Amino acid sequence: DAKTTQPNSMESNEEEPVHLPCNHSTISGTDYIHWYRQLPSQGPEYVIHGLTSNVNNRMASLAIAEDRKSSTLILHRATLRDAAVYYCILRDGDYQLIWGAGTKLIIKP
Amino acid sequence: DSGVTQTPKHLITATGQRVTLRCSPRSGDLSVYWYQQSLDQGLQFLIQYYNGEERAKGNILERFSAQQFPDLHSELNLSSLELGDSALYFCASSTTALPNEKLFFGSGTQLSVL
Repeated sequence: DAKTTQPNSMESNEEEPVHLPCNHSTISGTDYIHWYRQLPSQGPEYVIHGLTSNVNNRMASLAIAEDRKSSTLILHRATLRDAAVYYCILRDGDYQLIWGAGTKLIIKP
Repeated sequence: DSGVTQTPKHLITATGQRVTLRCSPRSGDLSVYWYQQSLDQGLQFLIQYYNGEERAKGNILERFSAQQFPDLHSELNLSSLELGDSALYFCASSTTALPNEKLFFGSGTQLSVL
């Protein structure tokens, strides 16, 4: 059972910022929020993760709500290579990652 | 290249048969995870091993089994195969089993049961 809720798909224009939302209202205090993306015919690729504070890396930024019930993955300047399915996942106490259906991100040139 | 190697890339077999999928984790990674991905669906966690021991079990069928060997490679055995077992099977590895660890995924094994 997926613990996160994401929109099925989103569209964005190339070279514009993209904000991918994720709801996780049942998150526990020790759950880490992970984001992965999967390009067609490839295995998932790590994007970013966080616990309470916002996080930045070379790929993206992660904004976590103060109550931790939601988060947003921010791609600052989307390119065609960012077209993928993006998964928001919680890492629970059994060290598993429970995956939902993800958001299919479509980038328009 | 994630550093995780899965073989074979493609496997075609018949119902009732048994197959073995192999995974070599990144050098130094102690934890191995197996996932199943059916067509156009998210990943379903099957099982996790850490340093040779089973660490967590997900929705893995009794017909499926796995193990991690002393050299840390892992094998997923699927037996009495059914049409519904056709899917992409991914292996992932991480350095430890901590929840803040990132996972590195292989490119998967595409299993087709005819």
